[in-house]
Amino acid sequence: DAGVTQSPTHLIKTRGQQVTLRCSPKSGHDTVSWYQQALGQGPQFIFQYYEEEERQRGNFPDRFSGHQFPNYSSELNVNALLLGDSALYLCASSLGAGTVTDTQYFGPGTRLTVL
Amino acid sequence: SQQGEEDPQALSIQEGENATMNCSYKTSINNLQWYRQNSGRGLVHLILIRSNEREKHSGRLRVTLDTSKKSSSLLITASRAADTASYFCATEETSGSRLTFGEGTQLTVNP
Repeated sequence: DAGVTQSPTHLIKTRGQQVTLRCSPKSGHDTVSWYQQALGQGPQFIFQYYEEEERQRGNFPDRFSGHQFPNYSSELNVNALLLGDSALYLCASSLGAGTVTDTQYFGPGTRLTVL
Repeated sequence: SQQGEEDPQALSIQEGENATMNCSYKTSINNLQWYRQNSGRGLVHLILIRSNEREKHSGRLRVTLDTSKKSSSLLITASRAADTASYFCATEETSGSRLTFGEGTQLTVNP
């Protein structure tokens, strides 16, 4: 039973560029949430996707956007990168957004460095 | 914004000792979860305690929840060097919603 997978593992970009991060949820899960974790801090919620729609959003600018595909996998896109976007980006999957309390299982993360 | 605050920020103990970490939060919650993170890698789910529960056990882990004080504690008994990691509490305000994390406690278990 595959857990949550994320790609790539590491990424280096320069300011102003755009980046796309990918996530495949745990088998049987239909909800994907994205979190940003700056060094030395706890993860911060970016947004959540369920049934291919953004269902909840945290306090992040519109430069952060996402998508969920019919197979429940998801992408996180960040435009016009800033130095402050350097962080570990975590994807979490769960079952049944807004309907069932369930554990969110996290992937290994993508380490983004913006130079 | 962070909801939870973990206490202490850092904890160093010897192998075999017990480790206690505390978490406080601000709003009403549906459940509270504890996660472990090794060296900036992904989060590993440890235990979930619902708002109507007061105590839960899982192996060497014991979690308590006091909703009147909006606080929780995680006890790791008979600690091992492999328990060295950052520990985060996270609250879920409504079913299936976002998790709001604290800043974490860095636990070091010395062999």
